[in-house]
Parts: sequence; C-alpha cells; structure tokens
Amino acid sequence: SQTIHQWPATLVQPVGSPLSLECTVEGTSNPNLYWYRQAAGRGLQLLFYSVGIGQISSEVPQNLSASRPQDRQFILSSKKLLLSDSGFYLCAWSVSRVGITEAFFGQGTRLTVV
Amino acid sequence: QKEVEQDPGPLSVPEGAIVSLNCTYSNSAFQYFMWYRQYSRKGPELLMYTYSSGNKEDGRFTAQVDKSSKYISLFIRDSQPSDSATYLCAMSARWGNRDDKIIFGKGTRLHILP
Repeated sequence: SQTIHQWPATLVQPVGSPLSLECTVEGTSNPNLYWYRQAAGRGLQLLFYSVGIGQISSEVPQNLSASRPQDRQFILSSKKLLLSDSGFYLCAWSVSRVGITEAFFGQGTRLTVV
Repeated sequence: QKEVEQDPGPLSVPEGAIVSLNCTYSNSAFQYFMWYRQYSRKGPELLMYTYSSGNKEDGRFTAQVDKSSKYISLFIRDSQPSDSATYLCAMSARWGNRDDKIIFGKGTRLHILP
C-alpha cells in the first residue's frame, strides 16, 4: 500500500534561519507531488507542484523553493524564513485513474517562525 | 476571480440537522470534483468524489455537481458531533494527463453542536 511520510511534525524557527522540510512517498512510482500551505483563516494554498524529477512548478511567488531530487522525494526549502512563512505545511501525492484524480496527504508540519 | 470559491465559515448547526456545504468555480474544464475532510492538526482525507454532473450518495453524505451553474455541494444528513471538521472541496480538469493538478477551496469549518 502507498504511504506518505512528512517530517518534522512541529518546527519552531527564528526569523532569518533556513528551512528544509522533507516528504517521501512509498508504494507508488512517478507520482505527482505537491506542497500546500494552510495558514490560519486562509485555506489550502498550492505552493509547488511536480510531475517528475527536477520538474517543479511554482504557483505563488514567495520566499520558498522546492526540489525533487528523487522520484518519490519532495523537499521544501527556504534560505531565510520570514514571520509570514508560519503555517501548516502539507505534502501530498496524487494518482490518476479512470474517473478520479485523488490526492493523499501527509500529516503536515506546523511551522512557527519567531 | 479565484478558480474555486468556498465560504470559510465557521458553520455551527445542532446535532441531527442537515448540513449543506458549497463551492463555486470558474474553470469550465473541471470535470472531477472531490470533498475532503480535515480534522484539527491532521492532513485532509478524501471523503467523496464525483465525475461530471449529478448526485452521488454514500451513507449520510451526498455530493452534488451542477456543471451548468459551476456549483458543487456536499450534504450531510443526521449530522453528528464527530462530523465537526473542516471540509474542503477540490477539483481537477483532466485524467490520464500528467498536468492534472488538484485545486482546493479554502475549506469550511463545521461545528456540530451536541
């Protein structure tokens, strides 16, 4: 069965520090991968989308970047965090089959920038 | 105009009531419509999905799609306190194509009052 791992679950970082969040998927190959951010009262915002190794689409210009060094690994990074980067970050993968494109989410990382 | 619009709530209803959650969208290419449920501090989980227009029922939940109006709904009958969560609508345009990213609404927070 497919599983998605996302870590850490909670992170407190000072302003100006770097960030690296990692997400890995097991049990599937060549998935679409996503990074979403969910800020309080602002819903689920798509940050990055990847259809393959090294292929990253940025949905919102911002202080963050993403990389996909391996087929089932997706990394969210920042060189210098801002207070506005605080939020709940969710990694997801999707598969397409007849009649449905379904996304599966990790458990999320709650990032607080202080 | 945002691709997907969803009232963030919160929506509070008494236990046993019928709940109606709604989303509107602007992209007529959307064909696959989903509802996700997200409990506090957890990642979203797929609740129901539908393809094209019509109704789909699963236990106490009914998903409805009206493509002519670009309007989708989720109805919850005999609501329970355990239904308290954030409900996110989601949609995608194409199946079998690598460029089939999923777009989410912002989510509606639902409280079922005992």
